[in-house]
Amino acid sequence: EPEVTQTPSHQVTQMGQEVILRCVPISNHLYFYWYRQILGQKVEFLVSFYNNEISEKSEIFDDQFSVERPDGSNFTLKIRSTKLEDSAMYFCASSVGGALYYYEQYFGPGTRLTVT
Amino acid sequence: AQSVTQLDSHVSVSEGTPVLLRCNYSSSYSPSLFWYVQHPNKGLQLLLKYTSAATLVKGINGFEAEFKKSETSFHLTKPSAHMSDAAEYFCVVSDPPTGNNRKLIWGLGTSLAVNP
Repeated sequence: EPEVTQTPSHQVTQMGQEVILRCVPISNHLYFYWYRQILGQKVEFLVSFYNNEISEKSEIFDDQFSVERPDGSNFTLKIRSTKLEDSAMYFCASSVGGALYYYEQYFGPGTRLTVT
Repeated sequence: AQSVTQLDSHVSVSEGTPVLLRCNYSSSYSPSLFWYVQHPNKGLQLLLKYTSAATLVKGINGFEAEFKKSETSFHLTKPSAHMSDAAEYFCVVSDPPTGNNRKLIWGLGTSLAVNP
């Protein structure tokens, strides 16, 4: 069964450093998402991406964040200058998309980002 | 704005006994509701979804949920718990409920423990 994969599973970085979290969505999916979960808090929507551009972003997704689909298979989330409060589990998801029906979002296992 | 409240952060049941995980939602329109499950070190997996068809929704692994508009509830049930059901369960609402580009709004999660 196809699945969303994410690398690395755990990333430790120092405050102020740039990190790139990588995701490989399911191959025929067209919509891509990033969510995050700070320990003890709710899973929060960050951004959705379709047709090589951001469709929607939350207030969390400020100028420090960017997303890219560099090569037609990977989907990346970059945090330019990490802060302590960026420590969280980051989930990538993808869905087929479609005009009339709800298509399930398939999630990866997550990347745990620890900023020290 | 859409939101969900999971009424129990932890539920503990004995194997073979019924499971009830409670969820209330708030939505300004007819919602699309979901239950996701996360087993340790695994991705988020869709258990079931309500998208304005039958109010009693059956999902995978014997789980089902009933949409009750009058009570704004979408509780998850299973007649007989299995050890493998031990996991974190999330009640989720889609914002907006239909259309190509939706973000998922998450509850805090309920940790289900199943005792032998």
